[in-house]
Amino acid sequence: QQQVKQSPQSLIVQKGGIPIINCAYENTAFDYFPWYQQFPGKGPALLIAIRPDVSEKKEGRFTISFNKSAKQFSLHIMDSQPGDSATYFCAAVLRGTASKLTFGTGTRLQVTL
Amino acid sequence: NAGVMQNPRHLVRRRGQEARLRCSPMKGHSHVYWYRQLPEEGLKFMVYLQKENIIDESGMPKERFSAEFPKEGPSILRIQQVVRGDSAAYFCASSPVGSVYEQFFGPGTRLTVL
Repeated sequence: QQQVKQSPQSLIVQKGGIPIINCAYENTAFDYFPWYQQFPGKGPALLIAIRPDVSEKKEGRFTISFNKSAKQFSLHIMDSQPGDSATYFCAAVLRGTASKLTFGTGTRLQVTL
Repeated sequence: NAGVMQNPRHLVRRRGQEARLRCSPMKGHSHVYWYRQLPEEGLKFMVYLQKENIIDESGMPKERFSAEFPKEGPSILRIQQVVRGDSAAYFCASSPVGSVYEQFFGPGTRLTVL
């Protein structure tokens, strides 16, 4: 019940395309949902995050859509660039657990020219 | 403001040896988290510490693993009698007081057990 399921495992889009990465959860006690970007050999970097009382959040080219009733959330990358090629992880934090992150399994994104 | 620092970046140990991984949180951050990432997998929570206190160690294996965050100095993740299955990337994250949801990750220590 504390899992976060992420799909797809890998994704290839052309430059300018809009990759969409999806995550789903079961436990309604999750109350914070961040997305992390990780380049090879580096640590994850926080991209954007959302709380369940908001249905959408935009920061630059990154948008999170949140569907509380379906217990799903997704990351959209507008006007994707080759520099966006990385692994993306969704995560969730259980209320009252002092921000212990539960990560999805990751999506390897490749943006081609 | 320097980011989260981890050392060493790469560590090679033979089976049965001890591994010590260090993490210095960002300036002003008093919360430290350790995560483990196996090849081609997501990160798994191990332990959450504040200065001189272990707050949550629910993700730590029961044996051979320990962590500390002393009043002075970096946080240490210690793995005794390493086995090949301990080979992984170990990441430390820190967060500031009052904003524990935002975790900033270090570059990781890649442990290889021969």
